[in-house]
Amino acid sequence: LAKTTQPISMDSYEGQEVNITCSHNNIATNDYITWYQQFPSQGPRFIIQGYKTKVTNEVASLFIPADRKSSTLSLPRVSLSDTAVYYCLVGGHGGATNKLIFGTGTLLAVQP
Amino acid sequence: GAVVSQHPSRVICKSGTSVKIECRSLDFQATTMFWYRQFPKQSLMLMATSNEGSKATYEQGVEKDKFLINHASLTLSTLTVTSAHPEDSSFYICSARGAAGNTIYFGEGSWLTVV
Repeated sequence: LAKTTQPISMDSYEGQEVNITCSHNNIATNDYITWYQQFPSQGPRFIIQGYKTKVTNEVASLFIPADRKSSTLSLPRVSLSDTAVYYCLVGGHGGATNKLIFGTGTLLAVQP
Repeated sequence: GAVVSQHPSRVICKSGTSVKIECRSLDFQATTMFWYRQFPKQSLMLMATSNEGSKATYEQGVEKDKFLINHASLTLSTLTVTSAHPEDSSFYICSARGAAGNTIYFGEGSWLTVV
């Protein structure tokens, strides 16, 4: 049973900011939140990871509220090449919940 | 970020034969590697967790005698699909935990077609 819930799909246009929210109500104290991007016939690519509050890197931002029961991936000014499936995962650290179970992911379709 | 490489990227084998897929962590040592299978338009399904120097832990419903996993070194894990059948045709993806322990990186994936 996947530990995360995301929208199945989202549509956007080039140049817009896209926010994808993920619910993880049963997140454990030691769990990190990690987002991956996957293109067809490729392995998932690491985007960003966080534990709490806000994390930003060169491609995205990750917002995590205080209760950590959800998280939002923010992609600024998307382009056509950002069309992909985005997965939110919790866990994966070297403790008891050390494996990543994938949910359905969100298919983001960016249109011109 | 850390690099995980899989080989081969594509393989075609005859029904009844065995095929091996390699997963290597190129710039870090990985005590734990994971194997996933993905069918078209579906999410990744975890098959097993591979720990260096010990037996793999298989997820429920995954046949350990059919999908043999070996993790003999800190940089290499192999998945062998034994007596392959057409229904084993799928995209197989491995991943490894990075040195810091909090991030898992994925390989490029391997397409297996059984004819």
